Amino acid sequence: DPKIIQKPKYLVAVTGSEKILICEQYLGHNAMYWYRQSAKKPLEFMFSYSYQKLMDNQTASSRFQPQSSKKNHLDLQITALKPDDSATYFCASSQDGWGKNTLYFGAGTRLSVL
Amino acid sequence: QQKVQQSPESLIVPEGGMASLNCTSSDRNVDYFWWYRQHSGKSPKMLMSIFSNGEKEEGRFTVHLNKASLHTSLHIRDSQPSDSALYLCAAAGGSALGRLHFGAGTQLIVIP
Repeated sequence: DPKIIQKPKYLVAVTGSEKILICEQYLGHNAMYWYRQSAKKPLEFMFSYSYQKLMDNQTASSRFQPQSSKKNHLDLQITALKPDDSATYFCASSQDGWGKNTLYFGAGTRLSVL
Repeated sequence: QQKVQQSPESLIVPEGGMASLNCTSSDRNVDYFWWYRQHSGKSPKMLMSIFSNGEKEEGRFTVHLNKASLHTSLHIRDSQPSDSALYLCAAAGGSALGRLHFGAGTQLIVIP
């Protein structure tokens, strides 16, 4: 059984629209993250949350907004979608947010923006 | 410029052969390294971690770390076709807050 659930698995959107990517983890971890992987760039850190608080944000654009309604949830809202946003978005979690904690990744949401 | 450089970009080895992958960080603040494996269309799965100088072996996989040069290597002996995947090196500092820096990866192909 997957312990980090991401929904949907595939998403097609039109330029300018808004989408929400869902992530829930059942590993009992206290830290959650969003990473992005595209054909043009390696796996890239976006956000980290620890105990539902934003700890680090490496995303320059405010169009990307993480939302944490519960400790084991971290959704990602993307507004004003652009074709360049096309990528696979991975949610990840770790026991805590510091140093040597190993990250575990969900299966990803593959987003295509037309 | 990428903080984590991996080489080679791609590697073809025969079944039963040895695969050697390299990774170097240009960030002197890095303390920890991981190797992840990502099969096509799947998510990255942690293969091995190494945090201290030296060598660590788990089954067919061995990792080395030289902290002075911030270089790590992964060696896969008796390579199997199922080992064919993208191997990602990740590095982080002590206060990274989950911010792992990933390299672009080495695409390993094991030919039966």
